[in-house]
Amino acid sequence: DTGVSQNPRHKITKRGQNVTFRCDPISEHNRLYWYRQTLGQGPEFLTYFQNEAQLEKSRLLSDRFSAERPKGSFSTLEIQRTEQGDSAMYLCASSFSIRTDEQYFGPGTRLTVT
Amino acid sequence: KQEVTQIPAALSVPEGENLVLNCSFTDSAIYNLQWFRQDPGKGLTSLLLIQSSQREQTSGRLNASLDKSSGRSTLYIAASQPGDSATYLCAVNELRDDKIIFGKGTRLHILP
Repeated sequence: DTGVSQNPRHKITKRGQNVTFRCDPISEHNRLYWYRQTLGQGPEFLTYFQNEAQLEKSRLLSDRFSAERPKGSFSTLEIQRTEQGDSAMYLCASSFSIRTDEQYFGPGTRLTVT
Repeated sequence: KQEVTQIPAALSVPEGENLVLNCSFTDSAIYNLQWFRQDPGKGLTSLLLIQSSQREQTSGRLNASLDKSSGRSTLYIAASQPGDSATYLCAVNELRDDKIIFGKGTRLHILP
């Protein structure tokens, strides 16, 4: 399978714990995006990378959130001190370098904070 | 601030009918517009991408149009099938900020 993959697919954690998600983009794609989606809403942009450089961060990405793409390949999204409001589907997408290129999405990681 | 609106929020139609889903956006300064399909609890599948210079794109039974000046796009589905049941999302790629803005989607149910 050469699509975008995300792990884990589901994560249940207690409030206050830290969680980390991983995204592996399509191998030749330079751009990688993170989105958050809550029930009944469309995905909301969180941040994106061009290779290893993080180029933009949404105001939704509080100080408890951090994303990395150390070698320009896979990316991780960490949430520290999780809150119940963090419960959502976290989606990753990738595309070629050009902004006009189509984005391909992974299956998502569903986070439940109890 | 760009806002993307999709109407209707939900739609049920009998199998075999043709249908149209609507998407509107408030700022016409966009690179492109993309239509996605999302099955419950799953990720997004890209259906069609229309560049800002294009008027429409077609793939199989799907046809998407774009009228950038009026801030509107439609997704036309011909001869609907039960397997078309899903949520359809519209997203615009803004010129000003390098981000994708999504609508809330239209939940489509095709009745067998």
